[in-house]
Amino acid sequence: DIQMTQSPSTLSASVGDRVNLTCRASQSISRWLAWYQQKPGKAPKLLIYKASSLESGVPSRFSGSGSGTEFTLTISSLQPDDFATYYCQQYNSGWTFGQGTKVEIK
Amino acid sequence: QVQLVESGGGVVQPGRSLRLSCAVSGFTFSSFAMHWVRQAPGKGLDWVAIISKDGTNKYYADSVKGRFTISRDNSKNTLYLQMNSLRAEDTAVYFCAKDRVGVTGTVFDYWGQGTLVTVSS
Repeated sequence: DIQMTQSPSTLSASVGDRVNLTCRASQSISRWLAWYQQKPGKAPKLLIYKASSLESGVPSRFSGSGSGTEFTLTISSLQPDDFATYYCQQYNSGWTFGQGTKVEIK
Repeated sequence: QVQLVESGGGVVQPGRSLRLSCAVSGFTFSSFAMHWVRQAPGKGLDWVAIISKDGTNKYYADSVKGRFTISRDNSKNTLYLQMNSLRAEDTAVYFCAKDRVGVTGTVFDYWGQGTLVTVSS
């Protein structure tokens, strides 16, 4: 089974900051990686698919990069609405989520 | 607009059964694969099962294989999850999610609001 590891577990940042969230796969998944945002008590929301494709309606401050085993979600200028937990998910072989990165207010 | 509404959650004793439903609207249900994903209290997301658009292909996480059954009724635009031999570790919010494609499964582009299943004596 493919394991997904996200870092850091928690990230403290301020509005306007540029933040980078990392996701590592235990084996190569090519570019079959998605990123989701989840707020407390809500369903996850798809942000990025195929490593770098922005889902329709998602602000352009979100971007994704990487391939193989190393991936990054970048928020170019953190907004108040972006404080949430972010999950990566591989869909190269089955479907596996990372443990999440919580982005909190500094 | 696309809507997915789960129901059927509740408190159940270990070893008992429960059936979850997910009623969908706003898209052609029969054209897309569907998933169940769960989230234990305070924990991350955990994929449970997938069913292809016509119901012929089904895959399960090892943790639920042999105990849970995913099914769908395309005439009723409804997805189901039959959960048998429930364990305390099955306690979670269960989300249904729409896949972007019909057969193989990719990303989950729409999700329901979730239904809470609590397994406790």
